[in-house]
Amino acid sequence: GQNIDQPTEMTATEGAIVQINCTYQTSGFNGLFWYQQHAGEAPTFLSYNVLDGLEEKGRFSSFLSRSKGYSYLLLKELQMKDSASYLCAGRDSNYQLIWGAGTKLIIKP
Amino acid sequence: GAVVSQHPSWVICKSGTSVKIECRSLDFQATTMFWYRQFPKQSLMLMATSNEGSKATYEQGVEKDKFLINHASLTLSTLTVTSAHPEDSSFYICSARDSRTARVGPYNEQFFGPGTRLTVL
Repeated sequence: GQNIDQPTEMTATEGAIVQINCTYQTSGFNGLFWYQQHAGEAPTFLSYNVLDGLEEKGRFSSFLSRSKGYSYLLLKELQMKDSASYLCAGRDSNYQLIWGAGTKLIIKP
Repeated sequence: GAVVSQHPSWVICKSGTSVKIECRSLDFQATTMFWYRQFPKQSLMLMATSNEGSKATYEQGVEKDKFLINHASLTLSTLTVTSAHPEDSSFYICSARDSRTARVGPYNEQFFGPGTRLTVL
């Protein structure tokens, strides 16, 4: 079956770095997405990986290892506004997104 | 670019009534739209995939007679919750992508509408 696993909740301190892990199992693979979702709002696109390695985009980076079925989202220089849920989604051979349950990130001053 | 709108943003209705939610792609043609439901503190649950000009594909456990989906044009899909009940109260989110090209986004990603919060009394 298809499955995405990520931690339910994480806590970090403002200014610090946090890594949110995601493991995936999909029928075929057409990329791994990370979305950010603030409470009561729709998800917004953060990053996409289809090849192994690290993609850096400002304070956010995303890593993919296809052989391990593993990805992580790295957030640096955390700001209070980064408090949100982070959704990992794998895209299968039918271009269908398989969603994780989301990781709620709590930033403390 | 790649803006998706939803209307209404929130709606309160009485039990037994029907509610229609519209999803529009404002600056691109969306051959495929997706309807999601999200209960508090839970992740997105895909309800159905809507393809322009054809019948929607519903996920297992989603009643197609209760959640009517129409995708009559390349920029508009509608979800009608028929005979709504309090357990249908949720956050309904649509997303869209142009499955024909990667023109909209470099990764052919889904672009989400702002969501519609439905409360059934």
